[in-house]
Amino acid sequence: AQSVTQLDSQVPVFEEAPVELRCNYSSSVSVYLFWYVQYPNQGLQLLLKYLSGSTLVKSINGFEAEFNKSQTSFHLRKPSVHISDTAEYFCAVSSAYSSASKIIFGSGTRLSIRP
Amino acid sequence: NAGVTQTPKFRVLKTGQSMTLLCAQDMNHEYMYWYRQDPGMGLRLIHYSVGEGTTAKGEVPDGYNVSRLKKQNFLLGLESAAPSQTSVYFCASNYRYRGSSYEQYFGPGTRLTVT
Repeated sequence: AQSVTQLDSQVPVFEEAPVELRCNYSSSVSVYLFWYVQYPNQGLQLLLKYLSGSTLVKSINGFEAEFNKSQTSFHLRKPSVHISDTAEYFCAVSSAYSSASKIIFGSGTRLSIRP
Repeated sequence: NAGVTQTPKFRVLKTGQSMTLLCAQDMNHEYMYWYRQDPGMGLRLIHYSVGEGTTAKGEVPDGYNVSRLKKQNFLLGLESAAPSQTSVYFCASNYRYRGSSYEQYFGPGTRLTVT
């Protein structure tokens, strides 16, 4: 079975500052990893994913995450945040190569940007 | 494509009333899911389906029933609503590739209040 831990429930940062949202997972098998973003009063949208290959994955709006197998982490980073990045971010994991695989979500990190 | 749609968007029920939430997807996805989202608890899986005519229990199935009579639709029923079922409900779907399931696509959510 898999589990996901998001270490920070809330992260306040100033606009244009860097940010890191932490995510650790546990699994006995190979995994796929995801970051989803939820803007206020909306559903979840996929931000980026790691399936295989390069351990550094990037989104179109400047976020990146690095899969670290030895530390079982998939932290999300952005070098300079914008007010529009205010949202809740969910880390998620699923088993690779498993049919009917379900995605396990973390409890979420609320990112608030101060001007 | 409309993606994943949910009906209704909002609903208020009295304790003991019943209702059905409808989820529809037009992406020909095999897998569909119902989640509930409560503050500080992330998303919890209620029920899921790996294909037409099949359903399975998730993490928090009690008090809910589901049906998947058509591939594109997944219904969530509350037979006798309780205040503990006040939540935001999300439907999601994804496809199967090489025996595994990839990122999920989410609907906009249904906000349910039980008084």
